[in-house]
Amino acid sequence: AQSVAQPEDQVNVAEGNPLTVKCTYSVSGNPYLFWYVQYPNRGLQFLLKYITGDNLVKGSYGFEAEFNKSQTSFHLKKPSALVSDSALYFCAVRDALGNTDKLIFGTGTRLQVFP
Amino acid sequence: DSGVTQTPKHLITATGQRVTLRCSPRSGDLSVYWYQQSLDQGLQFLIQYYNGEERAKGNILERFSAQQFPDLHSELNLSSLELGDSALYFCASSVGHYYSYEQYFGPGTRLTVT
Repeated sequence: AQSVAQPEDQVNVAEGNPLTVKCTYSVSGNPYLFWYVQYPNRGLQFLLKYITGDNLVKGSYGFEAEFNKSQTSFHLKKPSALVSDSALYFCAVRDALGNTDKLIFGTGTRLQVFP
Repeated sequence: DSGVTQTPKHLITATGQRVTLRCSPRSGDLSVYWYQQSLDQGLQFLIQYYNGEERAKGNILERFSAQQFPDLHSELNLSSLELGDSALYFCASSVGHYYSYEQYFGPGTRLTVT
């Protein structure tokens, strides 16, 4: 079965420092991977995706993610964190088995950026 | 703003009742998905519709049902509500083909069952 794992419940980083939010995946076939962010009392916002091509994917708000096939990872990164980046981040994989293309989400990582 | 709308934003009801959650997808999106977010279960896929047809079911209870109408809006019906049904219910939509597999989420409906 397709799955993603987010090993950290929370990541703390100082403003201006680089941040990394980790995600590993387990899929049959080619992985279609996504990152979403959820602010309090809001829906999930799409940040970026990896379908094929370059291993470094650029997304919204200065975020990027690095796809690593050998390590089955898709870590979210940002060179310089902002306090406003504090939110809940979800990694997801497209599950195309059967007649669907639903997303399977990780458990989420809370990012806290301190001023 | 994702372009996906959901109503109502909040719903408080009693056990045993029935409620209907409504979703309008982004213009042009044919696929609609429903997800449930709760503290103990995380984000769980419930059901998917594509152009009016049910495409797949996930962890959806028999007390729950959904449909997608000809204008592509969708409704999720929850009946015989239990305390454990309290959660945030999200609708998402996508184009659903040709590398545009990302889903765009609505703001959610927070259901509280008392």
